[in-house]
Amino acid sequence: NAGVTQTPKFQVLKTGQSMTLQCAQDMNHEYMSWYRQDPGMGLRLIHYSVGAGITDQGEVPNGYNVSRSTTEDFPLRLLSAAPSQTSVYFCASSYSAGTGGNGELFFGEGSRLTVL
Amino acid sequence: AQSVTQLDSQVPVFEEAPVELRCNYSSSVSVYLFWYVQYPNQGLQLLLKYLSGSTLVESINGFEAEFNKSQTSFHLRKPSVHISDTAEYFCAVSDHPGGTSYGKLTFGQGTILTVHP
Repeated sequence: NAGVTQTPKFQVLKTGQSMTLQCAQDMNHEYMSWYRQDPGMGLRLIHYSVGAGITDQGEVPNGYNVSRSTTEDFPLRLLSAAPSQTSVYFCASSYSAGTGGNGELFFGEGSRLTVL
Repeated sequence: AQSVTQLDSQVPVFEEAPVELRCNYSSSVSVYLFWYVQYPNQGLQLLLKYLSGSTLVESINGFEAEFNKSQTSFHLRKPSVHISDTAEYFCAVSDHPGGTSYGKLTFGQGTILTVHP
């Protein structure tokens, strides 16, 4: 059982370049989310989805786009990378309350992004 | 809005000593509480969680945390730490089902626990 899979694990971009961080889960979870981790700031929510076709903004959404065309996939797009987006990005998934979820998130291994 | 404060950014301790990592939260609704652990260069793993019932919850590797509603705290403790416990620990809060923040965790800033031989 793979769980939550993120690719790539490492990426270096130049300012202004675009890229997509991929996230896939095989647990049939309804909820998926993206967080960024910065030293001393914990994890902050970027975008969130409660199901295919439904997305919402989190605490720090500026500069990022998401879409959810399938239950399994939740890609995060950086349209024009900036040095402030240098961070470690984590994708997470969970069951909804209707399917027995208790709020526990399952995390991927992370994607380390450096923007020069 | 919810918030979580971890009162210590770094906690150094010697092997076999006890440790407490402090966590306070703020919320206007009933919450679920979590502790996650992150080992170097890895993702986050659930350590333990409080959903309801007994206010004392335990993990399989000897950690425990106590939910204190009156003090809005969820401190993590271990009576005797090992070198392998060296990691960063995150406290997190979520609404109950039906709450606007259900399924979205609000994290504290993290506490780096370093266990010295």
